[in-house]
Amino acid sequence: EVQLVESGGGLVKPGGSLRLSCAVSGFTFSNAWMNWVRQAPGKGLEWVGRVKRKIDGGTTDYAAPVKGRFTISRDDSKNSLYLQMNSLQTEDTAVYYCTSGSYEGYWGQGTLVTVSS
Amino acid sequence: QTVVTQEPSLTVSPGGTVTLTCASSTGAVTSDHYPNWIQQKPGQAPMALIYSTSNKHSWTPARFSGSLLGGKAALTLSGVQPEDEAEYYCLLYHGDAQVFGGGTKLTVL
Repeated sequence: EVQLVESGGGLVKPGGSLRLSCAVSGFTFSNAWMNWVRQAPGKGLEWVGRVKRKIDGGTTDYAAPVKGRFTISRDDSKNSLYLQMNSLQTEDTAVYYCTSGSYEGYWGQGTLVTVSS
Repeated sequence: QTVVTQEPSLTVSPGGTVTLTCASSTGAVTSDHYPNWIQQKPGQAPMALIYSTSNKHSWTPARFSGSLLGGKAALTLSGVQPEDEAEYYCLLYHGDAQVFGGGTKLTVL
């Protein structure tokens, strides 16, 4: 059974930092490009960024609103994906989903990040 | 900034057929945008339905199909079921970035 389990969400003050994790099982994590997608309360889906698999360079790309503040990384030895979020703003409040690449099509259940003073 | 546009809402009768579309502000949608379709029901995590224009995942019901139609990506539901009532998002690849559409709320009535 495929599982993507996000953790690390919570309440943080504006300007603060948070690190999200996504533990993956049930498919070959090292072969997958991985993404973070977020959804603000009552809003649509927004792509946050992606990390390629190591064999494709392991490079990252980010959406404009988070570029320079967020960093995606992966640890294939732990089947885990990470999202380091710095300089958080109130508009970063959202449920954050870990997703695999399009070919696999797997999504986690999400973790809520609330940025508020 | 690329904008991906979907119908805000559509209504279909049970057993009917409906087509949702997805347009890009950069021009015609092609297979090079690798169109994806994702379903989200209220209170649930999203679920991928279609990737690379028309490919289904193992869990995608046969009544869902993807295509390119008149310069847009399209998702067609044939023989709509009550449980298909949901929000549907398209996702397009634009180079190294990915952009979601605003979603289509499908009502089955």
